[in-house]
Amino acid sequence: ETGVTQTPRHLVMGMTNKKSLKCEQHLGHNAMYWYKQSAKKPLELMFVYSLEERVENNSVPSRFSPECPNSSHLFLHLHTLQPEDSALYLCASSRAYRDSGNTIYFGEGSWLTVV
Amino acid sequence: EDQVTQSPEALRLQEGESSSLNCSYTVSGLRGLFWYRQDPGKGPEFLFTLYSAGEEKEKERLKATLTKKESFLHITAPKPEDSATYLCAVQADTDKLIFGTGTRLQVFP
Repeated sequence: ETGVTQTPRHLVMGMTNKKSLKCEQHLGHNAMYWYKQSAKKPLELMFVYSLEERVENNSVPSRFSPECPNSSHLFLHLHTLQPEDSALYLCASSRAYRDSGNTIYFGEGSWLTVV
Repeated sequence: EDQVTQSPEALRLQEGESSSLNCSYTVSGLRGLFWYRQDPGKGPEFLFTLYSAGEEKEKERLKATLTKKESFLHITAPKPEDSATYLCAVQADTDKLIFGTGTRLQVFP
């Protein structure tokens, strides 16, 4: 079983739909992250949770809504998205938030296409 | 402004042809430099963490080195299965993790 598991792997949704991405980490980590990866751009940090508390929200539009019910699970709720939101969404976890040399481990990603 | 630049953007190698990928950075205080491998359609896979200038780490055909301004990922006698995008990320003293745009490596038999 991989350390960070994301579902679904692929999602196609219309602009008026509501859907959710799910992430589960099996590493016993205390911090979880959502990143967005678009073609030819660096990974963009969206949200960070530390011990289930949101600690970073990097100017992400409100049509993206994160939820962290416990330290092992992370959701990204999606509604009224735009075509430019089509991208690979990566969940990640680390032992702690803001530790020096803190290694972040990624899931396989969820490919999102907005039509 | 903290910045991470990777070069080249793309690299094509013949199997067995050794080469190096570069990651140059300007950050306010380095707390760690990370290398990841990313296969198409998948998430980045962690390879190495380097903490200070002069440090080196190896894994199979890969060797990562670090200076005060840049890191190199040396690939010795690459095989087609080494084909992937290699990402570099730097943790500054602001604790932000800054990613480069990656080097897409293709190794041909």
